[in-house]
Amino acid sequence: AQRVTQPEKLLSVFKGAPVELKCNYSYSGSPELFWYVQYSRQRLQLLLRHISRESIKGFTADLNKGETSFHLKKPFAQEEDSAMYYCALRTGANSKLTFGKGITLSVRP
Amino acid sequence: ETGVTQSPTHLIKTRGQQVTLRCSSQSGHNTVSWYQQALGQGPQFIFQYYREEENGRGNFPPRFSGLQFPNYSSELNVNALELDDSALYLCASSLSGRGADTQYFGPGTRLTVL
Repeated sequence: AQRVTQPEKLLSVFKGAPVELKCNYSYSGSPELFWYVQYSRQRLQLLLRHISRESIKGFTADLNKGETSFHLKKPFAQEEDSAMYYCALRTGANSKLTFGKGITLSVRP
Repeated sequence: ETGVTQSPTHLIKTRGQQVTLRCSSQSGHNTVSWYQQALGQGPQFIFQYYREEENGRGNFPPRFSGLQFPNYSSELNVNALELDDSALYLCASSLSGRGADTQYFGPGTRLTVL
C-alpha cells in the first residue's frame, strides 16, 4: 500500500534562512507527488506538483525515485511562508491523494 | 468563478446518530472527493464521485456513504456515528476524474461526536 512520511512536525527558521521540508513515499509503481499548503485561516491549496517542474513562490521540489523522496526546498524563507505543508502522493487512475501528516513551518522575523 | 463550498461549518452530534454533510463543487467541475482529517493528521481519502458514480473508495466502513447530484454537488452521509468520527471533513472538486487534474478544496466541516 502507498504511504507518505513527513518525519518532522515542526520546522522553525529565521527569515532569510534556507528551508527543506522532508517527504518520503512508499509506492511500487510510478508516483505523482504534490505539495499542498494551508496558510492560517485559509483552505488547503496546491503549491506544486513534480510533473510541472516549476518553482512556485520560490519553492522547488525534485522527485528522487532512488531515495523515494520529494523534499520541498526554498533558499531564503520569508515570514509569509509560515504555514502547514502537506506532501501528497497520487496513485491509480483517479485523483485519490494519500497525504502525509504535515509539517508546520514557522518563519521568524 | 465560485470556489468549493461546504455546509455546515460546524456540527455536534451524539454517538449513534446520523449526519449529512454537503459540498458544492467549483463551477465546471464534475468530480468530487471527500477526505477525513483527524486532529494532527493529514487528510485521508474516503471516496470520490465522478458524474454521479462512485469512482474509488478508501479504507472506510460502509456506514460512510455518498451521493453526487446532476449539478455535481455532493453529500457525505455517516450512519451510527462513533467518537472516532470526530474530525474535519474536506471536500475537493476537480475538472474530471483523471489524476492529472488539480483538486480544489473546500473549507471543511468540523464534526464533533459526543
